[in-house]
This record gives sequence, structure tokens and C-alpha cells, in this order.
Amino acid sequence: GAGVSQTPSNKVTEKGKYVELRCDPISGHTALYWYRQSLGQGPEFLIYFQGTGAADDSGLPNDRFFAVRPEGSVSTLKIQRTERGDSAVYLCASSLNARGEGSPLHFGNGTRLTVT
Amino acid sequence: GDSVTQMEGPVTLSEEAFLTINCTYTATGYPSLFWYVQYPGEGLQLLLKATKADDKGSNKGFEATYRKETTSFHLEKGSVQVSDSAVYFCALYTGGFKTIFGAGTRLFVKA
Repeated sequence: GAGVSQTPSNKVTEKGKYVELRCDPISGHTALYWYRQSLGQGPEFLIYFQGTGAADDSGLPNDRFFAVRPEGSVSTLKIQRTERGDSAVYLCASSLNARGEGSPLHFGNGTRLTVT
Repeated sequence: GDSVTQMEGPVTLSEEAFLTINCTYTATGYPSLFWYVQYPGEGLQLLLKATKADDKGSNKGFEATYRKETTSFHLEKGSVQVSDSAVYFCALYTGGFKTIFGAGTRLFVKA
């Protein structure tokens, strides 16, 4: 079946601009995560959705970052007033659920964001 | 807080060599432990996992044993192939919704 799909695969934007990154999870996966990966680092947690609600947004770095998942499927990560330090690969992952012993995460290929 | 520490890379081996990538963790409670792999041009994918102490996860010839006494989950393979060249991430999950990843270890296997 189809995996996690992220669009665009690459995004170049100017400092100060607004960007939206889209994630389409695996059908039937209720848990959705956004992570950020900087060069040479592991994925860093940003936000977790269970269904439509953000159950844990403790990883969002500041209020310029916001994410939604209005119908419990597709999610959009929104970044306002982008800064050069926001440049990274933004990863989306989904899983069947987030409880218990930890369902494995299924990752998309990521969106590489470059802020010039 | 919870954290994962992996050996720094890159690790360069010849084909058929033995591989060990060290991983240690700090966690409250009893985490589940994972190894994820990222092949060139692809997304991260689960390689193996272990959910309790002394469990051994295995897949594609790779193994890792959950050692609570040493808080470790080292990845091993007896004979690596060129196709194993990738970045390997150790990760833990403690039930607080988030999976925490190490910094990754890049493996190069030469023919």
C-alpha cells in the first residue's frame, strides 16, 4: 500500500516568508508526528496528533510554528516569518497508535526546507 | 530527561566484516528500544525493536539485545554487505507519545 507522502520534497524560501508543508499519512493510522532533522543529527520531535487534536506540541520551537490536522488524516505544518535557522528536513511519520509498547513509526521522505 | 547516545560515525568496513554500532540510553521507566535505518534517498524505516529487558530484536541479519543492566542496545551484524551502507538511528519510546532518536551513525561498506 501507499506509504507516508510529503509534499513538496524541496522548498526554498526567503527569510520572512510563510511556508506550508503537507503530510498524507498511511490510511488508517490515527497517530501522526512531525519531526525536524538538521544535518548530522537525529530526528527531533515537534508535535504529535492523535486523530484531529494535537496531543503533544511540546517540541514546537516557538509560536512561529503551527500544525493542523482538521479531518484526522492529512496534516499541514505551517511556519511563519521563516528564519535561516529553520532550514532543515521536516519529517512526517504515522503509526497505528501511540500507546502501549510504542508502535513503529512509518516515515515519509521528508521536505527539505531552505531559507535564504 | 530521556536521551539516546550513539557512537559517532562514519564507520567504514569492508564487505563481510563484523559490525557493531554502540547505543546507550537514559530513560525513566521501561522504554521500548528501536533501530531505524535510512538508506540513501529513502525515508527512515524500522529495522528492529525490543520491548523489554533481555529481548533480542532481529531483522535482515542484524541483531540487538535490550540490556537493562548496562542501559544498552548495541546493533550487530556478522557479515555486512555493500547494500547495508546507510545511516542507522537508535531510538527509545517511554510511553509519552514521542520517540527519541540518537544522532545517527553513518556506515560505509566497501566492496
